[in-house]
Amino acid sequence: GAGVSQSPSNKVTEKGKDVELRCDPISGHTALYWYRQRLGQGLEFLIYFQGNSAPDKSGLPSDRFSAERTGESVSTLTIQRTQQEDSAVYLCASSTRTGPAQYFGPGTRLTVT
Amino acid sequence: KQEVTQIPAALSVPEGENLVLNCSFTDSAIYNLQWFRQDPGKGLTSLLLIQSSQREQTSGRLNASLDKSSGRSTLYIAASQPGDSATYLCAHTEGPTGRRALTFGSGTRLQVQP
Repeated sequence: GAGVSQSPSNKVTEKGKDVELRCDPISGHTALYWYRQRLGQGLEFLIYFQGNSAPDKSGLPSDRFSAERTGESVSTLTIQRTQQEDSAVYLCASSTRTGPAQYFGPGTRLTVT
Repeated sequence: KQEVTQIPAALSVPEGENLVLNCSFTDSAIYNLQWFRQDPGKGLTSLLLIQSSQREQTSGRLNASLDKSSGRSTLYIAASQPGDSATYLCAHTEGPTGRRALTFGSGTRLQVQP
């Protein structure tokens, strides 16, 4: 079956612009996670959605970052007034409600110039 | 804050060697542990998952073990092949009522020479 998909695969934007990144989880997966990986660094958790529960936003680095999810489907991660330090690969993952294994998408490479 | 350390940071071996990658945690509050591989420019591929009640998992040439008391996990790769060249990441979740997000190590970059 189809895996996690993300779009766009690459995004170059100017400092100060807003960007939206999209994630389509595996069908039937109620849990969705966003992570980011800055160059030379490990993956950092950003936000977690589980069904209709309130999302866990504890990993968002600033109020310029926000994410939405409609039901148990698509999620968008929005970064407002982008800064150069936002340059990273943004990875999305999904899992079933009970299953611990997380399955990752190919990521969106964001470059802020 | 939980820290996850992976040793070595980089490893180069000739084809056919058996090798061990290490992952250690500063906090023993480890619930599930997952090993991934990451190929350049690509996302993460899940290799093995050790759930809370388990101590090891095997898939083909890969074997992962977890010792919660010492806060260590190892990934054993038998008869390495050039196609195994990638970055290997370990990651864990906290307890059943804790955050389900994964905390990652910084990875071991493996190069298998033909």
